[in-house]
Amino acid sequence: GAVVSQHPSWVICKSGTSVKIECRSLDFQATTMFWYRQFPKQSLMLMATSNEGSKATYEQGVEKDKFLINHASLTLSTLTVTSAHPEDSSFYICSARTSGTDTEAFFGQGTRLTVV
Amino acid sequence: GEDVEQSLFLSVREGDSSVINCTYTDSSSTYLYWYKQEPGAGLQLLTYIFSNMDMKQDQRLTVLLNKKDKHLSLRIADTQTGDSAIYFCAESIGDYKLSFGAGTTVTVRA
Repeated sequence: GAVVSQHPSWVICKSGTSVKIECRSLDFQATTMFWYRQFPKQSLMLMATSNEGSKATYEQGVEKDKFLINHASLTLSTLTVTSAHPEDSSFYICSARTSGTDTEAFFGQGTRLTVV
Repeated sequence: GEDVEQSLFLSVREGDSSVINCTYTDSSSTYLYWYKQEPGAGLQLLTYIFSNMDMKQDQRLTVLLNKKDKHLSLRIADTQTGDSAIYFCAESIGDYKLSFGAGTTVTVRA
């Protein structure tokens, strides 16, 4: 299947700083990318959906000013956690899919964020 | 994940079959998926089934769909130690979003 690469795989940052996570589709054009957050032993919670060239659509309860999403090209989306706090520590996973009806979504390997 | 429910744990002996069950709520879902997540990793799509199908078999994997009861199951034949992972059931909703269950942790014992 297609490859979606997330970077970094893990990051530790100080409270109050910002962290950027990249999600790249390596061999296909991702018209839509999704960002998920996963708490330990829990399901993935969809944070936002982004379409290339337009603003992201955030799920209810997700602060758009805290979790900045940019999808400037068909192969790259970024999630920036601004002014991170320990409660933002989590596993963040992106997925990407091409246009079309119910095309497969390919997932990145995830980024473990720890805020100290 | 509230719309998709799965049991949280399953322990199975190596060589036996594993059956993971899932119920969903959105009757308009067109596709239902099974994903596998190994520790510290992202999700790997195992298989999916179109909503007008009852069954799909792919090597050791068999997916059964009961659309009337909104029940989905994944059977893994001849379970191996490498099958130990968390398995997520997901339904497609609306504009290509996926709604995930909480995941079933499968532990394969020798």
